Amino acid sequence: KQEVTQIPAALSVPEGENLVLNCSFTDSAIYNLQWFRQDPGKGLTSLLLIQSSQREQTSGRLNASLDKSSGRSTLYIAASQPGDSATYLCAVRPPNAGNMLTFGGGTRLMVKP
Amino acid sequence: GAGVSQSPSNKVTEKGKDVELRCDPISGHTALYWYRQSLGQGLEFLIYFQGNSAPDKSGLPSDRFSAERTGGSVSTLTIQRTQQEDSAVYLCASSLTSGGAYEQYFGPGTRLTVT
Repeated sequence: KQEVTQIPAALSVPEGENLVLNCSFTDSAIYNLQWFRQDPGKGLTSLLLIQSSQREQTSGRLNASLDKSSGRSTLYIAASQPGDSATYLCAVRPPNAGNMLTFGGGTRLMVKP
Repeated sequence: GAGVSQSPSNKVTEKGKDVELRCDPISGHTALYWYRQSLGQGLEFLIYFQGNSAPDKSGLPSDRFSAERTGGSVSTLTIQRTQQEDSAVYLCASSLTSGGAYEQYFGPGTRLTVT
């Protein structure tokens, strides 16, 4: 059974700092990996989707990398801002029919002004 | 365009009552997923629909939970004889199809509180 772990569970940084969120998964047979953002009381917003054949994806100040063989992904946030404060979730998708996502527990990020 | 919508946004019910949660997927999306987010359990898959195929119910926690999708669009998740452990945020997602390359788009969720 696929298990996804995110470390740290919570992180507090001063504004402007670069930071890295970690995601690990136990079964390397994935189709893709997706990073989401969740604001309090809200649904999930997709940030980046990395296919299993890709090594990284970039969107603005965000960069996500994928090392499928070692079961790891990182989300790099450059020049963090208070508006980045949210919970960040990673999720992996299996290569079979249905493709329901398996989620990590999330990292709760606080960026202080 | 319109995203995934869910109703109600909040639901408080007494233990033992039945509840229905509704999801309107993005127009044209054939795949629809229900997930549950609860403290201590994180976000977990419940059930999945693809077009007119039989749903994948492998994530449903008990036979008190059921879901249907009418006309390949709107879906209703029903919880019978609710228990306090059913308290959670229920999230719905849709994607263009079930193919792995397609992103899932999530609704805002329904927060269910069982008293």
